[in-house]
Amino acid sequence: GAGVSQSPSNKVTEKGKDVELRCDPISGHTALYWYRQSLGQGLEFLIYFQGNSAPDKSGLPSDRFSAERTGGSVSTLTIQRTQQEDSAVYLCASSSIPGQGASPLHFGNGTRLTVT
Amino acid sequence: AQRVTQPEKLLSVFKGAPVELKCNYSYSGSPELFWYVQYSRQRLQLLLRHISRESIKGFTADLNKGETSFHLKKPFAQEEDSAMYYCALSGRGTNAGKSTFGDGTTLTVKP
Repeated sequence: GAGVSQSPSNKVTEKGKDVELRCDPISGHTALYWYRQSLGQGLEFLIYFQGNSAPDKSGLPSDRFSAERTGGSVSTLTIQRTQQEDSAVYLCASSSIPGQGASPLHFGNGTRLTVT
Repeated sequence: AQRVTQPEKLLSVFKGAPVELKCNYSYSGSPELFWYVQYSRQRLQLLLRHISRESIKGFTADLNKGETSFHLKKPFAQEEDSAMYYCALSGRGTNAGKSTFGDGTTLTVKP
């Protein structure tokens, strides 16, 4: 079946502009994550959605970052007034209901954001 | 609080040599541990999980609850193993909470 889909794959924007990044998780997956990966660096957790629970926003680096998940499916990560340090690859991942055990994450290909 | 530590940011070995990527964790309960891999220009993907007790691409990982470790091992490294490896932890059940990742280890296998 279809995997996690992210769009756009690349985004170049000018400093100060707002951007929206989209994630289509695997159908039926209730958990959705956003991560950021800077060049040569590890994964930086941003936000986590699980079902109808309040999202875990503890990883958002500033109030310029926000995310929503409509209808428990598609998610949008919005960065307002972008800065050059926001340049990174933004990864989305989803997983199914854990049930008896934990479920692995399925990652998208990411959106490469470049702020000029 | 759950935490995953990968002490080596970079690891370099020669082809044919054994390789071990270290992972330690802290979690108050019985976690599930995973290894993910990201090859150049590919998406991050699951390599293996401890409950499967399987060998993938020659890699194995044993959960050591006493040492709270989940090291990834391969007896004979290959050049195609060069990649970024992440260790991750998750709780169990519907209240499992989010997965936690280590900072990753970049493995380079030299010819």
